[in-house]
Amino acid sequence: GAVVSQHPSWVICKSGTSVKIECRSLDFQATTMFWYRQFPKQSLMLMATSNEGSKATYEQGVEKDKFLINHASLTLSTLTVTSAHPEDSSFYICSAARVSGYTFGSGTRLTVV
Amino acid sequence: AQSVTQLGSHVSVSEGALVLLRCNYSSSVPPYLFWYVQYPNQGLQLLLKYTSAATLVKGINGFEAEFKKSETSFHLTKPSAHMSDAAEYFCAVSDNTGTASKLTFGTGTRLQVTL
Repeated sequence: GAVVSQHPSWVICKSGTSVKIECRSLDFQATTMFWYRQFPKQSLMLMATSNEGSKATYEQGVEKDKFLINHASLTLSTLTVTSAHPEDSSFYICSAARVSGYTFGSGTRLTVV
Repeated sequence: AQSVTQLGSHVSVSEGALVLLRCNYSSSVPPYLFWYVQYPNQGLQLLLKYTSAATLVKGINGFEAEFKKSETSFHLTKPSAHMSDAAEYFCAVSDNTGTASKLTFGTGTRLQVTL
C-alpha cells in the first residue's frame, strides 16, 4: 500500500534555531502534500498545501516566512520551522494526496526549549 | 465551506459492547467523508471512506459507517469493542474536487474501552 515516511519522529531544539521536517512518499508520486499541526488533545489544523514545483498555499493565519515549505520533487516535501520558539512546539503531520485518497505520515513531535 | 461536527469528545464503552461515534457534516456539494484513527504520537490511519457509492461503507478492523443524506450524518459503528480500539477517532470531509482537495477534520472523539 501507499506509504508516507516522515522524519524525524521527534526533535528537540533550542529557541531561535531552525528545524526541518521531511515527508516522503515511498511508493507513489505525490503532486500534492498537506501539512497539519496538532496541539495536544485537539484536531488537525491544516497549515498549508504543498504542490510540486510551485509555491505552497498557506492557510489564513499561518506565517509563510516562519513555516517554509518546499516541494522540489514528486516524492519529497519539507517543512522548515525557522527561528523556532516554545509556542511552535506541537505535533506536525504531513499527508500525501493520491487519486485513491490521502496517506498520512507518522508525525513529528517538535519541542522547542 | 465544509465542516464536520463530532458529538462527544470522549466515549467510553465496555469490551464487547457496541461502539457508536457520531459525525454530522455540512457541505454545499456532495461530500467525500472519511473516518481516521490515531494512536498516541502517531499519524492517522484510514478506517473507511464514503465516495458516493454504497451508503453503507465497511472499513478495516470491523468498523463500518452509514451515509445518511437526510440526516447529514456519517456515524461510525463497530458491533463489539476490543481493547485495541482505544484511540482517537477523527471524522473528515472533502469536497471531492480532486487530489488537491483539502480535508477538514472534526475535533475528534477519544474512545476508551474498559474491561
